[in-house]
Amino acid sequence: GDSVTQMEGPVTLSEEAFLTINCTYTATGYPSLFWYVQYPGEGLQLLLKATKADDKGSNKGFEATYRKETTSFHLEKGSVQVSDSAVYFCARDNTDKLIFGTGTRLQVFP
Amino acid sequence: DTGVSQDPRHKITKRGQNVTFRCDPISEHNRLYWYRQTLGQGPEFLTYFQNEAQLEKSRLLSDRFSAERPKGSFSTLEIQRTEQGDSAMYLCASSTGTSGFEQYFGPGTRLTVT
Repeated sequence: GDSVTQMEGPVTLSEEAFLTINCTYTATGYPSLFWYVQYPGEGLQLLLKATKADDKGSNKGFEATYRKETTSFHLEKGSVQVSDSAVYFCARDNTDKLIFGTGTRLQVFP
Repeated sequence: DTGVSQDPRHKITKRGQNVTFRCDPISEHNRLYWYRQTLGQGPEFLTYFQNEAQLEKSRLLSDRFSAERPKGSFSTLEIQRTEQGDSAMYLCASSTGTSGFEQYFGPGTRLTVT
């Protein structure tokens, strides 16, 4: 069935470092792709999305590009902050529901 | 717009007891979803409603689970004869059902079965 695969965490970075979190998805159909973020003690929040190939989603300095040829949607940020510490989930839609990856924990130290 | 709310936020119950959770979606959203999240995993789809109609149920949703959305507004998720394996975070989300299926999540109800 459809699935999403994320790189395992935790990812540990110093403040102002460059971030990449890898995400690949199964290519059935023409899914929309999403990154959700879960801050400690809070619910899932939509971070960004892309609905078709070559679209770039962006928000709060984070970016991800929908790459159909590599079935990827990697999350990037040029300079992370301590406040970015959270768990990041990649997801694709499947008909009317979301399929999530297992999540990647990001820890940013000052 | 106050967002998606869920009640209770935490529930501790003994094995074999029944529990019921409530979700109030964003008011203009006609789609409502239930997911389950266990430690270290991403959310897994359980079921969803469009208005009051339950349109899909996951095979994860055993006969002990039932969900309703009687008036197309709030929804309830009931688990009968709880088992320790039911311990998880139960998440509710809502959407308008428009393109891109952007879903807005509530804070979740954490269930612990002892």
